[in-house]
Amino acid sequence: SQQGEEDPQALSIQEGENATMNCSYKTSINNLQWYRQNSGRGLVHLILIRSNEREKHSGRLRVTLDTSKKSSSLLITASRAADTASYFCATDRDGGNTPLVFGKGTRLSVIA
Amino acid sequence: EPEVTQTPSHQVTQMGQEVILRCVPISNHLYFYWYRQILGQKVEFLVSFYNNEISEKSEIFDDQFSVERPDGSNFTLKIRSTKLEDSAMYFCASRDNTDTQYFGPGTRLTVL
Repeated sequence: SQQGEEDPQALSIQEGENATMNCSYKTSINNLQWYRQNSGRGLVHLILIRSNEREKHSGRLRVTLDTSKKSSSLLITASRAADTASYFCATDRDGGNTPLVFGKGTRLSVIA
Repeated sequence: EPEVTQTPSHQVTQMGQEVILRCVPISNHLYFYWYRQILGQKVEFLVSFYNNEISEKSEIFDDQFSVERPDGSNFTLKIRSTKLEDSAMYFCASRDNTDTQYFGPGTRLTVL
């Protein structure tokens, strides 16, 4: 079964630095979405990138998708302490309208 | 901005009891989902719902689980006879026509 796996599992950086998180998956996808989760809280949708897109931007976020390598990266530029959270990628199957499969997440700590 | 809401935020129950978790999806969305996250683990898909019926369910969603859309706004998950291993955060999500799934804040279920 397809599976999103984030890398690294944990990342600690200084405020103002950039943070890059990677995600790999196994099967053909329709979309890939990134979510943020603060400790014990809900999942906040960050960005969706479609399988025919290669790069997408939203504010300080930049997402890339390489379907040939079955991988995606999330870059957060000029990080802030408030960016401290867990970040998950989630994929749905080719064909659309399918459930999301989540990875284990990357725990990002931004130190002020 | 419209949000998915869930009640209660925390539910404590005794093993063997029935619980109903409630969700109000975003009003113009047509696809609804339940996911769960056991502490420290991945978010896992339970069931999807469209046009007043289950469209897909996972192996986790066995006979003790059921879903219902009793009226035009609520979407409920019932667990008939709770087990210790049902303790988890349960997330409801609804999907718009851009394929983005928006998650609620979750219900933390504790089975004693």
